[in-house]
Amino acid sequence: GAVVSQHPSWVICKSGTSVKIECRSLDFQATTMFWYRQFPKQSLMLMATSNEGSKATYEQGVEKDKFLINHASLTLSTLTVTSAHPEDSSFYICSATRTYNEQFFGPGTRLTVL
Amino acid sequence: GQQLNQSPQSMFIQEGEDVSMNCTSSSIFNTWLWYKQDPGEGPVLLIALYKAGELTSNGRLTAQFGITRKDSFLNISASIPSDVGIYFCAGSYTGTASKLTFGTGTRLQVTL
Repeated sequence: GAVVSQHPSWVICKSGTSVKIECRSLDFQATTMFWYRQFPKQSLMLMATSNEGSKATYEQGVEKDKFLINHASLTLSTLTVTSAHPEDSSFYICSATRTYNEQFFGPGTRLTVL
Repeated sequence: GQQLNQSPQSMFIQEGEDVSMNCTSSSIFNTWLWYKQDPGEGPVLLIALYKAGELTSNGRLTAQFGITRKDSFLNISASIPSDVGIYFCAGSYTGTASKLTFGTGTRLQVTL
């Protein structure tokens, strides 16, 4: 149990378009979901914390108007990269928490902006 | 944002050798975690540590939560080819389900 999925697994888009990435907890209800970004050969950097039914909390330096997060249910959070540019190309990873001491990561979504 | 410093940055070892890597922070954490990430995938939790001084094993892996709460190490004994990957430490102030600060990563390569 405790599987987190992401869709799509990879996406290529043109500069200026918007891209939506879904994160789902498949077999549990997630109280909180987190979104991370990972550039090549670098570590994971937390972008935002998302709780169902409330506004996401963004980390310092992350533009909330550019990275829109919607947490519509206890099993789904979405990240929309608006007006994407080549510098937004990255590996986006979500995680979902089940209980106080369990956090599970999705397989990631590779975004390439041309 | 803050990052934890891991060393070494990368290492090449032979199959069967033991591996040791560590992670240091300028601030205190209440929970230390060790993850492994394979290329193109999300990280997978290896070991979670909740108390200063705690030593925990998971098969061939052993990790310790430093007494100062500012460091942790991970040992892998008798490495095998499937140990190849990137190992990340992560710290949390309030548990594994809370937001994590990740380390810079240690890339492990195992030769036959």
